[in-house]
Amino acid sequence: SAVISQKPSRDICQRGTSLTIQCQVDSQVTMMFWYRQQPGQSLTLIATANQGSEATYESGFVIDKFPISRPNLTFSTLTVSNMSPEDSSIYLCSVGQGENIQYFGAGTRLSVL
Amino acid sequence: EDQVTQSPEALRLQEGESSSLNCSYTVSGLRGLFWYRQDPGKGPEFLFTLYSAGEEKEKERLKATLTKKESFLHITAPKPEDSATYLCAVQPATGFQKLVFGTGTRLLVSP
Repeated sequence: SAVISQKPSRDICQRGTSLTIQCQVDSQVTMMFWYRQQPGQSLTLIATANQGSEATYESGFVIDKFPISRPNLTFSTLTVSNMSPEDSSIYLCSVGQGENIQYFGAGTRLSVL
Repeated sequence: EDQVTQSPEALRLQEGESSSLNCSYTVSGLRGLFWYRQDPGKGPEFLFTLYSAGEEKEKERLKATLTKKESFLHITAPKPEDSATYLCAVQPATGFQKLVFGTGTRLLVSP
């Protein structure tokens, strides 16, 4: 399975600022995904990022709030914009490989004050 | 609406005490059902994928089964290192391979 590295692993941010999370994969993958895991809740898909095309966002998530870049087959970024305390969460990237299996990074733990 | 419900929310077992975790789902066409293990401070780790009713898969002390409405994760003679949160997810037949997750079962195995 792919090795997925996320940066930063955690951060504490001020209200109104933005944070960009990086996801690096050790092999080329077509599909990358960004999820949010809020305390006590299930993982929720934010968007699917395919190289060379616009990200596809799930209901309740918009590009202005969560812009995504996918410049090549091994890298993607998710930006959390104009943050509020409600954005405090764990953000995870995953990649799809063989048999539709998704493998996850360790996540970015974000706290917004 | 695609939905996954896991029970119980938390389970405490003694080492060697076998049990089962439940995952019931409603989905508009099932491409696959997935089980993950998540340890504190880490991302989900893939365990199994099941594609059709009647299918079973095993890995060490874990065995996953699937019916048309639910899946079970059976844990036989668990050890303390099996303590983790176990997540169930379904992949609908439509869409870009998205996963719909349940909230998980937190398992604690005491020595």
